[in-house]
Amino acid sequence: AQSVSQHNHHVILSEAASLELGCNYSYGGTVNLFWYVQYPGQHLQLLLKYFSGDPLVKGIKGFEAEFIKSKFSFNLRKPSVQWSDTAEYFCAVNARTGGFKTIFGAGTRLFVKA
Amino acid sequence: GAVVSQHPSRVICKSGTSVKIECRSLDFQATTMFWYRQFPKKSLMLMATSNEGSKATYEQGVEKDKFLINHASLTLSTLTVTSAHPEDSSFYICSARDQGGYNEQFFGPGTRLTVL
Repeated sequence: AQSVSQHNHHVILSEAASLELGCNYSYGGTVNLFWYVQYPGQHLQLLLKYFSGDPLVKGIKGFEAEFIKSKFSFNLRKPSVQWSDTAEYFCAVNARTGGFKTIFGAGTRLFVKA
Repeated sequence: GAVVSQHPSRVICKSGTSVKIECRSLDFQATTMFWYRQFPKKSLMLMATSNEGSKATYEQGVEKDKFLINHASLTLSTLTVTSAHPEDSSFYICSARDQGGYNEQFFGPGTRLTVL
């Protein structure tokens, strides 16, 4: 069965610090990978997605993620965080062979200190 | 981009009543919709896959008689929480997959259900 593991449950950073959130998935087939963000009191927003091609994916708001197939990883990065990046971040995966059911990781709560 | 709406956005009901939540794909046709549940400060848990014109497929541990799903058209799926109890209070989120076969799902804004 598909599963998604996010290593950090809570992260606290100061503004301008660099961010890397880990995500590993468990699935042997071809997968589609996503990062979503949920700001306090708001609904899910798609940050970026990977279907195929260049494993380095750039998303909105300066975020990027790198798909490393050999490590089953899809880590999210941002070189310099802002206070407004305070939110919860979810890694997610789906696959055609799984009927495109999207499975979410447990989430990482990021707090950026001003 | 594709838009998915949910109605209502918030609902408060008494214990023992039933509540219906609608999920609509506004500008595309969705043969498949998914229903998720999100507890406070927790991740999204997939409840069921809703297929247009056929029975929904429920995830393990989700009571199909408790959470009735109907996907009557290519743009509408409904989730009915029957005989709601306080423990059913949660944030319910739907997503829809474009019929065109794209791999991405589009998420609705969610419905916050509070059962008194």
